Amino acid sequence: AQSVSQHNHHVILSEAASLELGCNYSYGGTVNLFWYVQYPGQHLQLLLKYFSGDPLVKGIKGFEAEFIKSKFSFNLRKPSVQWSDTAEYFCAVNSNQAGTALIFGKGTTLSVSS
Amino acid sequence: GAGVSQSPSNKVTEKGKDVELRCDPISGHTALYWYRQSLGQGLEFLIYFQGNSAPDKSGLPSDRFSAERTGGSVSTLTIQRTQQEDSAVYLCASSLVGGASEQFFGPGTRLTVL
Repeated sequence: AQSVSQHNHHVILSEAASLELGCNYSYGGTVNLFWYVQYPGQHLQLLLKYFSGDPLVKGIKGFEAEFIKSKFSFNLRKPSVQWSDTAEYFCAVNSNQAGTALIFGKGTTLSVSS
Repeated sequence: GAGVSQSPSNKVTEKGKDVELRCDPISGHTALYWYRQSLGQGLEFLIYFQGNSAPDKSGLPSDRFSAERTGGSVSTLTIQRTQQEDSAVYLCASSLVGGASEQFFGPGTRLTVL
């Protein structure tokens, strides 16, 4: 069965610390990969996505993610977090064929202290 | 431009009652998705509409759940004979086309079944 695993349920960091959130997926075939973020009181918005090409993807607000096909991973990174990065982060995957919905991980809550 | 809108934003109902949740996708988006976000469970796919094709209902948890999309635009998710375990945030998303397109999410409807 298709699934997405996010290894960290809750991450607590101080400002300026580096961030890496793990994401592994189980999905047959070619996939599209996404990271979504949900800030407190706001709705889900896209941070970055990978469809094909360069496996290192850069997104908004200084985030990046690397697709490692051999490891079925798509980890999210940021070199220096800010208090405003406090949010819940969701990794998601779908097939690159038309007509498939996203399968989400259970999310990682990031708390950044100033 | 306007994003995905959902109504109501909050709905409290009694066990056994029927509820209808509405989603207005972004104009021109042919694909529409419903997800459910439960505490500790992440986001769970419910149903997917693509143009005039038959919807993908594979994520609906029981036959008490149904959805329709009228005129290729507005969608209504109906839950009959609500149960307490139906309490969750119901999210709607739309995209230009299915599959590889970015999904844009609405603010959700928080359903509480007493």
